[in-house]
Amino acid sequence: AQSVTQPDIHITVSEGASLELRCNYSYGATPYLFWYVQSPGQGLQLLLKYFSGDTLVQGIKGFEAEFKRSQSSFNLRKPSVHWSDAAEYFCAVGADDKIIFGKGTRLHILP
Amino acid sequence: DGGITQSPKYLFRKEGQNVTLSCEQNLNHDAMYWYRQDPGQGLRLIYYSQIVNDFQKGDIAEGYSVSREKKESFPLTVTSAQKNPTAFYLCASSPEAQGDAKNIQYFGAGTRLSVL
Repeated sequence: AQSVTQPDIHITVSEGASLELRCNYSYGATPYLFWYVQSPGQGLQLLLKYFSGDTLVQGIKGFEAEFKRSQSSFNLRKPSVHWSDAAEYFCAVGADDKIIFGKGTRLHILP
Repeated sequence: DGGITQSPKYLFRKEGQNVTLSCEQNLNHDAMYWYRQDPGQGLRLIYYSQIVNDFQKGDIAEGYSVSREKKESFPLTVTSAQKNPTAFYLCASSPEAQGDAKNIQYFGAGTRLSVL
């Protein structure tokens, strides 16, 4: 069965530091992969997506993610975080007629 | 502006009452979805619709009902059979029902439902 695992429930980083959020997926075929961000009390906004081609994808707000088939991973990275990046981040995989979401990683930023 | 509008933002339900959450999109998207979000649980799919007058159950459809009479509208009714309805409900839409684009979903701002 398809699944998405985000191993870290909470992550805290200092403003200006680099960030990596982990995501592992289980899916038999070539996956469609996504990262979404959610601010408190709001809907989800698409940060970036991977369908095929270059395994390093660029997204909005300075985020990027790398698809590694051998590790079944799609980790999200940002070289320098800003206080406004504090939010919850969801990794997702497109599977048949629906998208399966991970349980999310909440990012906290220290000033 | 184009987008997905969910209303109301906050909703309260009394015991034994059915309540309906509204979702409207002016993006001309074919597919629409309803998710339930609980803390630490991620998003769980309730119902989805790929075309007008057709919809399918998701993973947690019990206690919910939907209709898709118009392309732009996909209301969700939380019935009295749903014993634990307190949650954040998110509506989403996707440009196509088939092909790669079906996987790109755009979300509304959500409705928070609480039980009185």
